Amino acid sequence: LAKTTQPISMDSYEGQEVNITCSHNNIATNDYITWYQQFPSQGPRFIIQGYKTKVTNEVASLFIPADRKSSTLSLPRVSLSDTAVYYCLVGELPGNAGNMLTFGGGTRLMVKP
Amino acid sequence: EPEVTQTPSHQVTQMGQEVILRCVPISNHLYFYWYRQILGQKVEFLVSFYNNEISEKSEIFDDQFSVERPDGSNFTLKIRSTKLEDSAMYFCASSSLSGNEQYFGPGTRLTVT
Repeated sequence: LAKTTQPISMDSYEGQEVNITCSHNNIATNDYITWYQQFPSQGPRFIIQGYKTKVTNEVASLFIPADRKSSTLSLPRVSLSDTAVYYCLVGELPGNAGNMLTFGGGTRLMVKP
Repeated sequence: EPEVTQTPSHQVTQMGQEVILRCVPISNHLYFYWYRQILGQKVEFLVSFYNNEISEKSEIFDDQFSVERPDGSNFTLKIRSTKLEDSAMYFCASSSLSGNEQYFGPGTRLTVT
């Protein structure tokens, strides 16, 4: 499994764009990059997933450079409710026979008013 | 929007007692999972289940743990003889056959005294 490294914590203010970068130098050819969000006392929630270049959905954007050794989750105009822990996961798709998710420590994002 | 549900939300038990944690996965999903999160620590994979059998399990999932799908809707995790170190949030998750994301339930907080 590819090891991921991301900042332990980040602070931001409401309305700002937040970029959280994850390093995964040993990513394998079959690996995808997936980000989950977890609020206190809740289960993780899928945010976005990508393989290369850029992926955008209604919640976030995911930027993946050509070498795929890192990725950046971008949250536009954060609000207080975006305060959560954000996890970067690298691995084969869960759709491939129920692959387990391996969570690291995540990045604790604190959004301030 | 369909969601994974878990009961109870909080379970307190004495060391050595058996506990059963219950989950109702999303109805058309075929892969089921249990994860746990000890307070302040990472989310850890326990077991995945497909087609009425375990497809993968972690080192944590020893002989004290078992899973079952007793009917068409419930998915249970049993801990036969609880230990103090089993105190954690237990999350159930499910995914579809071709889905790329796992949907997590709200968790059951297990406290072993």
